[in-house]
Amino acid sequence: EPEVTQTPSHQVTQMGQEVILRCVPISNHLYFYWYRQILGQKVEFLVSFYNNEISEKSEIFDDQFSVERPDGSNFTLKIRSTKLEDSAMYFCASSLDREGYNEQFFGPGTRLTVL
Amino acid sequence: GNSVTQMEGPVTLSEEAFLTINCTYTATGYPSLFWYVQYPGEGLQLLLKATKADDKGSNKGFEATYRKETTSFHLEKGSVQVSDSAVYFCALTGFQKLVFGTGTRLLVSP
Repeated sequence: EPEVTQTPSHQVTQMGQEVILRCVPISNHLYFYWYRQILGQKVEFLVSFYNNEISEKSEIFDDQFSVERPDGSNFTLKIRSTKLEDSAMYFCASSLDREGYNEQFFGPGTRLTVL
Repeated sequence: GNSVTQMEGPVTLSEEAFLTINCTYTATGYPSLFWYVQYPGEGLQLLLKATKADDKGSNKGFEATYRKETTSFHLEKGSVQVSDSAVYFCALTGFQKLVFGTGTRLLVSP
């Protein structure tokens, strides 16, 4: 069964460093998403991406964040200068359509720890 | 804006007990509703969904009915197992993004 994969599973970084989180969405999906979950809190939407551009972003997704689909398979989230409060689990998801009738498939997540 | 409210956890039950986790929502338009489950150390998995009023989603013995009149989507299971111990998230989408509730931790003891 096709699945969304994410690498690395755990990333530890120093405050102020850049990190890139990688995701491989399901191959025939067209919409891609990043969510984050701070420990013990709810899952929050960060950004959605379609046709090589951001289609929606939350207020969390400020200028320190960027997303890219550098090739036909990968979808990345870059945090330019990490802060302590960026420590969270980051989930990538993909879906076939945008209207919500089809499922968003989630990856296993990358746990980011900023020291 | 759209929002989801879930009952506080943890919910602690004995095996074979009946489960209800309450979920209510606020939304413009007619969102689709979902229950996702997160097992310890894992990502989010779709448990069930309903795309219009009065639809009943079901999977693995879990059920939830889309109630437009009460804006609710309560999760139920007739007989829980230890393996059902996880965090359950109610969510909705009207356009693209999922909006999640805070999650309810379920602990089932033998």
